[in-house]
Amino acid sequence: AQRVTQPEKLLSVFKGAPVELKCNYSYSGSPELFWYVQYSRQRLQLLLRHISRESIKGFTADLNKGETSFHLKKPFAQEEDSAMYYCALKGGATNKLIFGTGTLLAVQP
Amino acid sequence: DTGVSQNPRHKITKRGQNVTFRCDPISEHNRLYWYRQTLGQGPEFLTYFQNEAQLEKSRLLSDRFSAERPKGSFSTLEIQRTEQGDSAMYLCASSLDANTEAFFGQGTRLTVV
Repeated sequence: AQRVTQPEKLLSVFKGAPVELKCNYSYSGSPELFWYVQYSRQRLQLLLRHISRESIKGFTADLNKGETSFHLKKPFAQEEDSAMYYCALKGGATNKLIFGTGTLLAVQP
Repeated sequence: DTGVSQNPRHKITKRGQNVTFRCDPISEHNRLYWYRQTLGQGPEFLTYFQNEAQLEKSRLLSDRFSAERPKGSFSTLEIQRTEQGDSAMYLCASSLDANTEAFFGQGTRLTVV
């Protein structure tokens, strides 16, 4: 079964601290993984996708097929990073996204 | 065109009533998706259109739900005989094709009382 697991509902860190948002997946085949972010009162938007292998707003994520993980990392958190983060897997030919339950990142001043 | 547009933003309805939501995708986007999000959960796939053709429906989409995209542009999602369990945020997304980013609308929040 295709599934995305985000074990933490809430992650609270202080400004300047490192951040790691965990994501594990279950998928038979070659997965395509994404991180979406939703800031307060804004729509869901793409943060990054693993095939791009790029850093967006200081965030990076590496696909680890051995551990079936796609953790999101940032070395120094900023207050403006506070948001809801969803890990997602693209499943099947329809391009539909399978989302995890999300992690709320709260960066304290 | 400022992105995917959904109307209404909020809808409160009595149990048993029918409701219809509208989604206007980004121009030229061939693919349109509907998702549902309940409290504490991530968005869950409901259905998908390639132009005007509805190509996949989730098991979540019971017989009371119907979606259309008659001219391959805007789409409507209708829920008949609403139940309290239908209360959720209904999200629409569109993409140019299979390999490009899906852009989401701000959603329609449905409350069934």
